[in-house]
Amino acid sequence: QSALTQPASVSGSPGQSITISCTGTSSDVGGYNYVSWYQQHPGKAPKLMIYDVSNRPSGVSNRFSGSKSGNTASLTISGLQAEDEADYYCSSYTSRPIWVFGGGTKLTVL
Amino acid sequence: EVQLVESGGGLVQPGGSLRLSCAASGFTFSSYAMSWVRQAPGKGLEWVSAISGSGGSTYYADSVKGRFTISRDNSKNTLYLQMNSLRAEDTAVYYCAKAGDGPTAMVTGNYFDYWGQGTLVTVSS
Repeated sequence: QSALTQPASVSGSPGQSITISCTGTSSDVGGYNYVSWYQQHPGKAPKLMIYDVSNRPSGVSNRFSGSKSGNTASLTISGLQAEDEADYYCSSYTSRPIWVFGGGTKLTVL
Repeated sequence: EVQLVESGGGLVQPGGSLRLSCAASGFTFSSYAMSWVRQAPGKGLEWVSAISGSGGSTYYADSVKGRFTISRDNSKNTLYLQMNSLRAEDTAVYYCAKAGDGPTAMVTGNYFDYWGQGTLVTVSS
């Protein structure tokens, strides 16, 4: 099972918006509305930010939003803040009962 | 409050074995599927294995199939990962992760809502 494709890095200034893409296939991202996004700060465990494509868990800022079109999912962060600087991973349930993750995107807040 | 606490990591020689544990609290353990996810140093996340809430169904990544065994003891609220025939490429931080709420939560889950702090496994001679 190949990893989902994410850009290695993105950057933005405080207050701006950025979007991270996550491209898979019809067997994973395109086939299920089970895409999730995780934030990971250095040395810390991943934290769930978005589940089932566009749902936010309780406690996650509404500056984070998710969407999907075809085989590509996206995470948008609006009103960038310094604490948003982290690695972001997408994940999808797949046609086999397994999960696949993206390679990760390093977000830099300039 | 949901808590997941991994233990059992350490240094092991290639070909050796190790058993990881994940102690869970703060939720009805038997009602949720659980997974192990690993992260090699400086690399991304890789799903390793999952088990249904009852323990009756297990799933493995191709990279560990036949070498790793996932299990759970619902009476002890504990998840396990038995790792045999370890290789250098198994070196990673291993996280246990809880399936999120939803219609599939007890069988497989479709996302991970809580993660442990991780335990480091180093395979080296």
